[in-house]
Amino acid sequence: AQTVTQSQPEMSVQEAETVTLSCTYDTSESDYYLFWYKQPPSRQMILVIRQEAYKQQNATENRFSVNFQKAAKSFSLKISDSQLGDAAMYFCAYRSADGGSNYKLTFGKGTLLTVNP
Amino acid sequence: KAGVTQTPRYLIKTRGQQVTLSCSPISGHRSVSWYQQTPGQGLQFLFEYFSETQRNKGNFPGRFSGRQFSNSRSEMNVSTLELGDSALYLCASSWMGEETQYFGPGTRLLVL
Repeated sequence: AQTVTQSQPEMSVQEAETVTLSCTYDTSESDYYLFWYKQPPSRQMILVIRQEAYKQQNATENRFSVNFQKAAKSFSLKISDSQLGDAAMYFCAYRSADGGSNYKLTFGKGTLLTVNP
Repeated sequence: KAGVTQTPRYLIKTRGQQVTLSCSPISGHRSVSWYQQTPGQGLQFLFEYFSETQRNKGNFPGRFSGRQFSNSRSEMNVSTLELGDSALYLCASSWMGEETQYFGPGTRLLVL
């Protein structure tokens, strides 16, 4: 079974600074997808960024980028120019792509990000 | 396009009762997944439906069940509620299941 580990329960960053959230995962599969979701106090789960394992290029979405290291099974999220609205719980998630039909997401425990003005 | 909607948003029940939660996916999406979120266990997969068929099921007791209708709307039912069923229940939809899942706002269930 796949597992996702987020080793930082809480992180804080100053507004306009950069912060990196860590995520490691364990899998024996070769093809899969990785996601970062953001859950603000409203509890709405919002997709931040997605990475396909077969792509070597790291995904980027505006101020959000990932450092995907497949051999190390590491998938960190970098938030640049942090804004107050970035404050939220961030979840790293894994989903298999190796055939079959098991498309469930496996989540880490989350990292609570605080942005200080 | 309208996002995923869930009703009701909040629910209070007592032990032993049953509850039904509803989820309407994004228009055109045919796969609906359900997750339970609690402070202790985090986010856990309940089940996934596609074209009215349950394709996958997580490790939950039989008290948790679901169904999907021909318009892709889905319901989940929890019978004989226990205190430990208090949680945020999240529904997510995707076109066929293998794409990115988009989440609804959740239903917060409190069991007293």
